[in-house]
Amino acid sequence: DQQVKQNSPSLSVQEGRISILNCDYTNSMFDYFLWYKKYPAEGPTFLISISSIKDKNEDGRFTVFLNKSAKHLSLHIVPSQPGDSAVYFCAASDSGTYKYIFGTGTRLKVLA
Amino acid sequence: DAGVIQSPRHEVTEMGQEVTLRCKPISGHNSLFWYRQTMMRGLELLIYFNNNVPIDDSGMPEDRFSAKMPNASFSTLKIQPSEPRDSAVYFCASARGNEQFFGPGTRLTVL
Repeated sequence: DQQVKQNSPSLSVQEGRISILNCDYTNSMFDYFLWYKKYPAEGPTFLISISSIKDKNEDGRFTVFLNKSAKHLSLHIVPSQPGDSAVYFCAASDSGTYKYIFGTGTRLKVLA
Repeated sequence: DAGVIQSPRHEVTEMGQEVTLRCKPISGHNSLFWYRQTMMRGLELLIYFNNNVPIDDSGMPEDRFSAKMPNASFSTLKIQPSEPRDSAVYFCASARGNEQFFGPGTRLTVL
């Protein structure tokens, strides 16, 4: 029973274009959402987060959008760079706990 | 700070053997998490500790898995006996607040 779903296992984007990674969740108790990036042979690293009181959070080239009614969030990377090639994990939590539920990840490849 | 430290980085063992994975969290962090990464299920939370106390072990797959945190600077995840289906990358993460910091992982192969 996957409470957090990333339905696209992979995505290829041309350098300079926008990358859009999607994530859906089922648990309405989730109120804090994060994106982590993972390079091969390394642990995931925190990228950006959003609380359910917001619908958008921006940090440089990275923007996360949250649609609570649809239980959907997305990560936009603009412009995409070859160094962004990695696996991106979406995670969700009920802020009353420290427990994150991660999706299965989307492998992004940015083509030079 | 060196970040979260995990050892060993790679472990190859035979079915039936005991495996112990080790983790040193970031100093000052009061939460510690063990995850398992597989292709099919992504990153699964196995167990987490808060102030060295296990809070939620509902993700531990079977009684063959156990985890301890004897003090704030050390945790172990033990699999006994190991099985081929336990082959995966195991991550330890620590946190103080919302952001979790991950170690580099231990790649476990059970033959």
